[in-house]
Amino acid sequence: QKEVEQDPGPLSVPEGAIVSLNCTYSNSAFQYFMWYRQYSRKGPELLMYTYSSGNKEDGRFTAQVDKSSKYISLFIRDSQPSDSATYLCAMSPNDYKLSFGAGTTVTVRA
Amino acid sequence: EAEVAQSPRYKITEKSQAVAFWCDPISGHATLYWYRQILGQGPELLVQFQDESVVDDSQLPKDRFSAERLKGVDSTLKIQPAELGDSAMYLCASSSLAGAPRNTQYFGPGTRLTVL
Repeated sequence: QKEVEQDPGPLSVPEGAIVSLNCTYSNSAFQYFMWYRQYSRKGPELLMYTYSSGNKEDGRFTAQVDKSSKYISLFIRDSQPSDSATYLCAMSPNDYKLSFGAGTTVTVRA
Repeated sequence: EAEVAQSPRYKITEKSQAVAFWCDPISGHATLYWYRQILGQGPELLVQFQDESVVDDSQLPKDRFSAERLKGVDSTLKIQPAELGDSAMYLCASSSLAGAPRNTQYFGPGTRLTVL
């Protein structure tokens, strides 16, 4: 079993919809939780960064961490075609050794 | 905006040949990472450098892969000999303790390797 599980999708939504992405994990030592966005043929770029449990909001993006359930989520409100990408969750027991999920491919239809 | 540079962007080689990838991290970033990302999977760490020293190479297949960062700045990842299963995207990332959040990893565009 992988340390980090992420449904690869693909996920297709109409423009303006809420996109909901999630990951589960098995390592209770994970304290740092991140979401990266990766466009086709590009490297991942950091979207959201959360330490320990709780919610964090940044514009249209909201990240949630529930350590008791070992479950993290990313919500994208008012989705745009430019949000079409692969979204990778990543987590770490410290702040440098990352374990990534497989990524969920999202398409926002205009 | 400072970026991580990688070259080449694409590499096609035949199995048993040697290949090398180059990475130039963001200026001032002491930590450099090499990842391998197989299509449809997340990146997996191959090796991590702190300045010129290897911090973690536990997942690096040392019989065929080698990595160096001689002056603590740019880095080279080599595969010799290449095998069909090495076809993947090779990503370089760098980070700084002074970053916010600390040690945020910034990724380069990657090198797409195809082994025939």
